[in-house]
Amino acid sequence: KNEVEQSPQNLTAQEGEFITINCSYSVGISALHWLQQHPGGGIVSLFMLSSGKKKHGRLIATINIQEKHSSLHITASHPRDSAVYICAAMYSGGGADGLTFGKGTHLIIQP
Amino acid sequence: SQTIHQWPATLVQPVGSPLSLECTVEGTSNPNLYWYRQAAGRGLQLLFYSVGIGQISSEVPQNLSASRPQDRQFILSSKKLLLSDSGFYLCAWSVGGLAAQHFGDGTRLSIL
Repeated sequence: KNEVEQSPQNLTAQEGEFITINCSYSVGISALHWLQQHPGGGIVSLFMLSSGKKKHGRLIATINIQEKHSSLHITASHPRDSAVYICAAMYSGGGADGLTFGKGTHLIIQP
Repeated sequence: SQTIHQWPATLVQPVGSPLSLECTVEGTSNPNLYWYRQAAGRGLQLLFYSVGIGQISSEVPQNLSASRPQDRQFILSSKKLLLSDSGFYLCAWSVGGLAAQHFGDGTRLSIL
């Protein structure tokens, strides 16, 4: 069974702290998404990566294919980063590359 | 630029009533289309995907169905809603293989 596990489930930090959210998956994947879900429910795609590392502003995503593990890092965290961060794996062999999702990490950045 | 529209944003329906949620994509052709559901306290789950008009694949057996009458239109339906159909429904699109998916704003469905 294809599974995606995320940790931590909840994370509260102070403004300015370096944040790391972890994601592991059970079998080989085609690519991995990191998504951000705001309180209203809307989802924004942050990264899609299949190897190495990607950076966008204060966000960095890394993936280690051999270890079946990915991390999302936020540098100089800010209260506006508060959201649910979701890891989603795109498994090979699917029809139209539907995603399998982790349960999300609820991040709160306090001022 | 490409946009995705999903409506309604919220919906309250009685048990046993029908359902129709609509999703349309603009600014692209022949997209892959997806319906996902997020039940309370649970992660997102893929319900249906479509690679073209009239082509629907279901990932999980359920009380819902999907249709794609036009290239950029994806509809989620039910003839009789169950309490367990409550949740947050998201439509998404992508183009090509191994492509990033782009999500609509979602529909929050409450069944009474």
